[in-house]
Amino acid sequence: SQTIHQWPATLVQPVGSPLSLECTVEGTSNPNLYWYRQAAGRGLQLLFYSVGIGQISSEVPQNLSASRPQDRQFILSSKKLLLSDSGFYLCAWREETGDGYTFGSGTRLTVV
Amino acid sequence: GQQVMQIPQYQHVQEGEDFTTYCNSSTTLSNIQWYKQRPGGHPVFLIQLVKSGEVKKQKRLTFQFGEAKKNSSLHITATQTTDVGTYFCAGDGDYKLSFGAGTTVTVRA
Repeated sequence: SQTIHQWPATLVQPVGSPLSLECTVEGTSNPNLYWYRQAAGRGLQLLFYSVGIGQISSEVPQNLSASRPQDRQFILSSKKLLLSDSGFYLCAWREETGDGYTFGSGTRLTVV
Repeated sequence: GQQVMQIPQYQHVQEGEDFTTYCNSSTTLSNIQWYKQRPGGHPVFLIQLVKSGEVKKQKRLTFQFGEAKKNSSLHITATQTTDVGTYFCAGDGDYKLSFGAGTTVTVRA
């Protein structure tokens, strides 16, 4: 069966520090992978998506970047965090367009 | 780009009552999906509607897709405390979903 792992669950980082959030999927090949951010009490904002290794599409220009070094690994990064980067970061996958998303359990990031 | 609007933003419901949340798109959708996010949790896929006018039921939840495939609704009957959470609709586009802002449901016992 397919599973998705996302860590850490919570993170408190100072302004200006780097960030690396990792997401891995098991039990599937060549999934579509997604990073979303959710501000407190708000909807889901798509940040990046990837349809294959090394293929990254950015939806919102901002202080973040994403990489997909392996088929089932998706990484969200920042060189210098801003206060506005605080939020709930969710990784998601699906096998192909038309399927439902499976979300990871998320990372709550607080930038202080 | 594709935009999905969802109303109401908040729904306060007496336990046992019914309510409906609505989703409207600015463009025709190939399909629409619904998700539920419990407080403190992550969104969980509920259902997908593909056909014009489609209606699907999951126990007390009834999902509808409009004839023009531009709107959808979720109707919950006999609300229970387990229905608490935020319900999102999402329109499917090229490779990615566009989520509505969600309807956050609270239940008065």
